[in-house]
Amino acid sequence: DIQMTQSPASLSASLGETVSIECLASEGISNDLAWYQKKSGKSPHLLIYTTSRLQDGVPSRFSGSGSGTRYSLKISGMQPEDEADYFCQQSYKYPLTFGSGTKLEIK
Amino acid sequence: VQLVESGGGLVQPGRSLKLSCAASGFTFTDYYMAWVRQAPKKGLEWVATISTRGTTTYYPDSVRGRFTISRDYAKSSLYLQMNSLKSEDTATYYCARHGQRINFDNWGQGVMVTVSS
Repeated sequence: DIQMTQSPASLSASLGETVSIECLASEGISNDLAWYQKKSGKSPHLLIYTTSRLQDGVPSRFSGSGSGTRYSLKISGMQPEDEADYFCQQSYKYPLTFGSGTKLEIK
Repeated sequence: VQLVESGGGLVQPGRSLKLSCAASGFTFTDYYMAWVRQAPKKGLEWVATISTRGTTTYYPDSVRGRFTISRDYAKSSLYLQMNSLKSEDTATYYCARHGQRINFDNWGQGVMVTVSS
């Protein structure tokens, strides 16, 4: 199984600040990496797929990058509505696996 | 796209429960479908996937042999039959549609399953 190591586990940022979250796969996943946002009491929401492709309707302040085993999500200019948990997921092969999550809070 | 789960509740260890997901707003037959769960204060865990024709299913080791995913095209519905339930199966279960790659591009609101005596 592919292990996804996500960091940091928690993060606080000021409004307008740029933040980054990283995921490290235990083997190469050929850019098959997705990012999800999950707000408390809500269902998860797909933000980015195939490393860097923005899902329809997702603000452009979200971006993704990476290759091989290292991937990252960047939020350029933290907004109040970005306070949430974020998860990466490898979509390379079964069994599908998620990172452990990053809790992003407003400082 | 709308995915609406039902069938959750409190169940004793070792018993069974069947979840349902009513899909609408898209061509159900065109998409792989899946179940994903989140235990309290834990991360997301993929539970099962079924192919467009229902001929191929995928499971992680944690549920293989206990859970069965299925779909009914006439009702545009997805199901998860859960047998031999354990306390560690306690979670919110989400019905999800697979996107272009095997990510999850639409999710239901979730249904809670509690396994406890």
